[in-house]
Amino acid sequence: DAMVIQNPRYQVTQFGKPVTLSCSQTLNHNVMYWYQQKSSQAPKLLFHYYDKDFNNEADTPDNFQSRRPNTSFCFLDIRSPGLGDAAMYLCATSRGGEGETQYFGPGTRLLVL
Amino acid sequence: RKEVEQDPGPFNVPEGATVAFNCTYSNSASQSFFWYRQDCRKEPKLLMSVYSSGNEDGRFTAQLNRASQYISLLIRDSKLSDSATYLCVVNKGANDMRFGAGTRLTVKP
Repeated sequence: DAMVIQNPRYQVTQFGKPVTLSCSQTLNHNVMYWYQQKSSQAPKLLFHYYDKDFNNEADTPDNFQSRRPNTSFCFLDIRSPGLGDAAMYLCATSRGGEGETQYFGPGTRLLVL
Repeated sequence: RKEVEQDPGPFNVPEGATVAFNCTYSNSASQSFFWYRQDCRKEPKLLMSVYSSGNEDGRFTAQLNRASQYISLLIRDSKLSDSATYLCVVNKGANDMRFGAGTRLTVKP
């Protein structure tokens, strides 16, 4: 059974056209994360929510926003995608706290034309 | 210095070989350490947590050296199915995990 679900799996957007990626979880975990991963690079943390508390990484561009309307769902909004934003976007969840495992969704691969 | 650094690889080994990956981290306050496995164009999946005393799971052994801020992963009797990228993960804060760029392993017949 899928525990962390991401939709869509593939997203094509145009340069500058806003796009929203979605993530849902059935684990009832407190923490939800968004990572950006480019080819042959480490997943880069963009931000995470602990419950409703939003934690933004200092180097995450303002172009990236997130919403978590409830425990199960979290959205990544890219307000004006540039060519450099083409990447795999990974959503992950954890219970929260030291030593807790992160569970990843299958990712959404974003292509910007 | 990067927060988490790994052997760049790639490692190309024959089936049955033993292979070891290294990882160093910069934050001496880190408390949680993991190895994740990532197959091509797939999401990372937990391979094993790394405990202070070292731990073993079948053919996989992970070790931690806090003094040197160093983590290792040893794979014995490599299988074709072990071919993947292995990501070292270290916590920065309670809910803040930092990933290494990964080491790519290819096991050949």
